[in-house]
Amino acid sequence: AQKITQTQPGMFVQEKEAVTLDCTYDTSDPSYGLFWYKQPSSGEMIFLIYQGSYDQQNATEGRYSLNFQKARKSANLVISASQLGDSAMYFCAMRANAGGTSYGKLTFGQGTILTVHP
Amino acid sequence: ETGVTQTPRHLVMGMTNKKSLKCEQHLGHNAMYWYKQSAKKPLELMFVYNFKEQTENNSVPSRFSPECPNSSHLFLHLHTLQPEDSALYLCASSQEGLGSNTEAFFGQGTRLTVV
Repeated sequence: AQKITQTQPGMFVQEKEAVTLDCTYDTSDPSYGLFWYKQPSSGEMIFLIYQGSYDQQNATEGRYSLNFQKARKSANLVISASQLGDSAMYFCAMRANAGGTSYGKLTFGQGTILTVHP
Repeated sequence: ETGVTQTPRHLVMGMTNKKSLKCEQHLGHNAMYWYKQSAKKPLELMFVYNFKEQTENNSVPSRFSPECPNSSHLFLHLHTLQPEDSALYLCASSQEGLGSNTEAFFGQGTRLTVV
């Protein structure tokens, strides 16, 4: 079974500052993928960034980067130069690949509410 | 058109009503999902469909009945719901295959209130 833990119910950051959202995971599968999604108040889940368990380098997408520490089973999201529009709920998620066939199931963490102050 | 479209966006229904949620994806994906998001709880996977076949039912009560007539459409039929079923219901799709690790694309959700 997979488990995702986000220990920060809420985070605050000043506009233009960087912020790190924590995520730890647990799985016995050697092959897995880690995802971060943003959920604004409107409800839709917006994909931000992906990290594969065998990827050698940390993933980056614009202002988003993933600090992947495999030995510690952590996949923290770093948002640089925060903007007011970044205020939202952020979810870390994982899916496991069993026997080389990917499973579409995502296991989500509890989420972190990020508030960006002007 | 957006990738994954859900209708209606908001739904209020009585416990004796029957209603359906609709999801349509325009991405050519072969897998679709229903998730439930309750207040202060992580998203819970309800159903998975691969190539129109249901491959997963996460112990969902029978008052929720999914239907996937083709790989682009997914329905969730609701009947005799309880107030605790009030939640945001999210539909998602992805392209599944050997070794693929593509992300799931979500719709905007249906906010369901059972009164």
